[in-house]
Amino acid sequence: AQSVAQPEDQVNVAEGNPLTVKCTYSVSGNPYLFWYVQYPNRGLQFLLKYITGDNLVKGSYGFEAEFNKSQTSFHLKKPSALVSDSALYFCAVRDGNDYKLSFGAGTTVTVRA
Amino acid sequence: SAVISQKPSRDICQRGTSLTIQCQVDSQVTMMFWYRQQPGQSLTLIATANQGSEATYESGFVIDKFPISRPNLTFSTLTVSNMSPEDSSIYLCSVAVAEAFFGQGTRLTVV
Repeated sequence: AQSVAQPEDQVNVAEGNPLTVKCTYSVSGNPYLFWYVQYPNRGLQFLLKYITGDNLVKGSYGFEAEFNKSQTSFHLKKPSALVSDSALYFCAVRDGNDYKLSFGAGTTVTVRA
Repeated sequence: SAVISQKPSRDICQRGTSLTIQCQVDSQVTMMFWYRQQPGQSLTLIATANQGSEATYESGFVIDKFPISRPNLTFSTLTVSNMSPEDSSIYLCSVAVAEAFFGQGTRLTVV
């Protein structure tokens, strides 16, 4: 079985401040971890992934995420948030042997000007 | 990457009717997936569709309610049958390469 927890329903930050969206996961095999963003009335857009290699992965729009195996976490970060980053963010996991994704509940990010 | 075209983008349907959602991919893929996103909720996998075989449904989803076709490696359809207001959701198709790519979704409202 696999699962994802996003402990915060909402994250509010001021523009220019650092942004962190938390994610922890559980998976029986090797974790493949993903972050997606959903803007209103839009589909899911891929931000970044961790499969293997460096624990710090960089993705689209200046986002990065750090894989921490001991804490089973994969937090999304952005050093300086923009108002346009306001959206719904989903963390997802799959076992390396399977393509089915399990999603977290989502975190709504609001960046105020 | 993969580009996925999904249609319709939205629809309003009468209860008791059925709606078929189409998903077209710009490249050949072995597996396609259908997800449901209920209002204010996360995504839940409905089924996995492989070309040439019956779709595999997740717990809580059945073929009679959500029949799926997969006639070739670039196309799939999901039908939502005998709709009720509880079926009002966004339905998304997805393909998985290294990462999953999603269509824009079909926003379904059942009245």
